Amino acid sequence: GQQLNQSPQSMFIQEGEDVSMNCTSSSIFNTWLWYKQDPGEGPVLLIALYKAGELTSNGRLTAQFGITRKDSFLNISASIPSDVGIYFCAGQSKSNYQLIWGAGTKLIIKP
Amino acid sequence: DGGITQSPKYLFRKEGQNVTLSCEQNLNHDAMYWYRQDPGQGLRLIYYSQIVNDFQKGDIAEGYSVSREKKESFPLTVTSAQKNPTAFYLCASLDRGGNEKLFFGSGTQLSVL
Repeated sequence: GQQLNQSPQSMFIQEGEDVSMNCTSSSIFNTWLWYKQDPGEGPVLLIALYKAGELTSNGRLTAQFGITRKDSFLNISASIPSDVGIYFCAGQSKSNYQLIWGAGTKLIIKP
Repeated sequence: DGGITQSPKYLFRKEGQNVTLSCEQNLNHDAMYWYRQDPGQGLRLIYYSQIVNDFQKGDIAEGYSVSREKKESFPLTVTSAQKNPTAFYLCASLDRGGNEKLFFGSGTQLSVL
């Protein structure tokens, strides 16, 4: 099935650093969703975006819906140990209500 | 509390055996989904249901079956035809009230004995 291009695949950062990851697609989406997954758990919704150009924050997290509707990014400021996990993007078009998923970005914080 | 409950958390399957994974939601959501996740991979759609008594195949439906007899329940059966069933299985439901949001259960890890 179709997938989004999510990058980077993994990130090794120091505590306190800012983090940036993005997703791109060849298709136009009406919705972008960003999730975080801890080991052995289901993904938890972080931020939902519904309009091109929309910039939304959730605490230290900020995500934007690209103006072309084909991309989105997620930034995490001043990372802390509990930010460790896998972050997924997902895009949805109105035509079929199915979500298309990125392969995930694994965030690892160096001790 | 409203949410999505998956059970069991861990499940073991013998060769040739069918096993059923449970998914229950009390969020009053019409649409429900089953995803498979392999280690280090993203999510792949197995089956989805937009409404009671209706369901459609996703990208990797072979070897799986589902039913949707009640709005709250969407069980997934992993049949003996699924030759590589070891994976983490995630159930989700979709909130369509205004803006769509997908909510997940905590997952079931299926392993082959």
